[in-house]
Order: sequence, then structure tokens, then C-alpha cells
Amino acid sequence: DIQMTQSPSTLSASVGDRVTITCRASQSISNWLAWYQHKPGKAPEVLISKASSLESGVPSRFSGSGFGIEFTLTISSLQPDDSATYYCQHYKTYPLTFGGGTKVEIK
Amino acid sequence: EVQLLESGGGLVQPGGSLRVSCAASGFTFSSDAMSWVRQAPGRGLEWVSTISGSGRNIYYADSVKGRFTISRDNSGNALYVQMNSLRAEDTALYYCARLEVTRGIFDIWGQGTMVTVSS
Repeated sequence: DIQMTQSPSTLSASVGDRVTITCRASQSISNWLAWYQHKPGKAPEVLISKASSLESGVPSRFSGSGFGIEFTLTISSLQPDDSATYYCQHYKTYPLTFGGGTKVEIK
Repeated sequence: EVQLLESGGGLVQPGGSLRVSCAASGFTFSSDAMSWVRQAPGRGLEWVSTISGSGRNIYYADSVKGRFTISRDNSGNALYVQMNSLRAEDTALYYCARLEVTRGIFDIWGQGTMVTVSS
């Protein structure tokens, strides 16, 4: 099974900061990597597909990069509405797996 | 409006059974793979199971294999998961989600239904 490891598990940053979250796969997953934003009491929302494709309606301050094993989600200028937990997820083979999550807090 | 609405959650004793349902609307349900994803209290997201649009291809997480059965009714636009031999560690919010296979993403989610396994 492919394991997904995210870091950091939590981060605290100020409005306007550039924020980077890393996701590492236990083996190559090509670009079969998605990123989600999850807020308490709400359903998760997909931000990025195929490692770097911004989903429709997602603000352009979000971007994704990477291929193979290491991937990053970047928020170019952190906004108050970005307070949430972020997850990566692979779609290389079954079983599908999510990373452990990164909780982003606003200072 | 595209929508997924889960129902059927509740409190069940360890070893018991429960069937959770998901009603879909606003998209061509029979064409799309569907999944269950859960989140235990204080934990992250965990993929549980996926069924193809036709129902012919089914996949399970090792943690539920042999105990959970996913199924669908394309005429009624409904997704199900039959959960047997429930354990305390199955306690979670269960989300129904569409798996968009060309991009490998869960692009439509319900609001979830809570399953609590406790004596």
C-alpha cells in the first residue's frame, strides 16, 4: 500500500504569509495527487488535482507542484478564510490513501 | 443542484450492524464511481470503499474488508454501505463522495452521517 506523509502537522502563520505544506508518497505516484481543504462542520473541498491543476472556483493563491514522490501545496498570501486542515490524497492504485493532514492556524 | 445526502447513521453496539445510505441528485449517477470516506473523531480522512458506475468493480480498505459491503441502486440514484461486525474503531462521520476518475479526485461530497459504535 502507498503511504502518504504530510508535514508539518500544524502550522501557524500571519495573514499575508506564504505557506507551504509538503506531502511525500512511499513510492512514485506520478502526478496522481490531490489536495483538499477541510473546515470543521463542513465537507472537504478539492483544491488541486493531478498535482498542479487548480480546480474551478479555487482562489489563485493556492498552487500545487511536484511529481513522483514529493509534492507541495503553497498558499501565496494566507487569508483568514484559509484557516482549515489540508489533506493530500493519491490515486495511483487501490487502496486510496490520504495524508495525515496539516492544520493551518492564523496568528 | 448537485447534491449528496447521507442518512442512516446512529448508535450501535459492538458486533452490531448498520446500513448507511446516500441519495444523489443533480448529476448522472449511473456513470460515476462513488465512494465512502470516513473521519473518526479527532482523526484525519480515511478512504473506506469505492464502487464503479456499473457496480462491477469494488474496492475496500483493509480495515473494513470482509465486514463492510458497498452497493448501489442506479435506478434510484442511491449508494449504500452495509456495515457488519462493527467495532469501536469504526466510530466516525461517514461521507459519501463522487470519485471523478479522470482526475482522481473526490469532487462532490455529502455532509456526512455519524456512526457511533459503543455499548
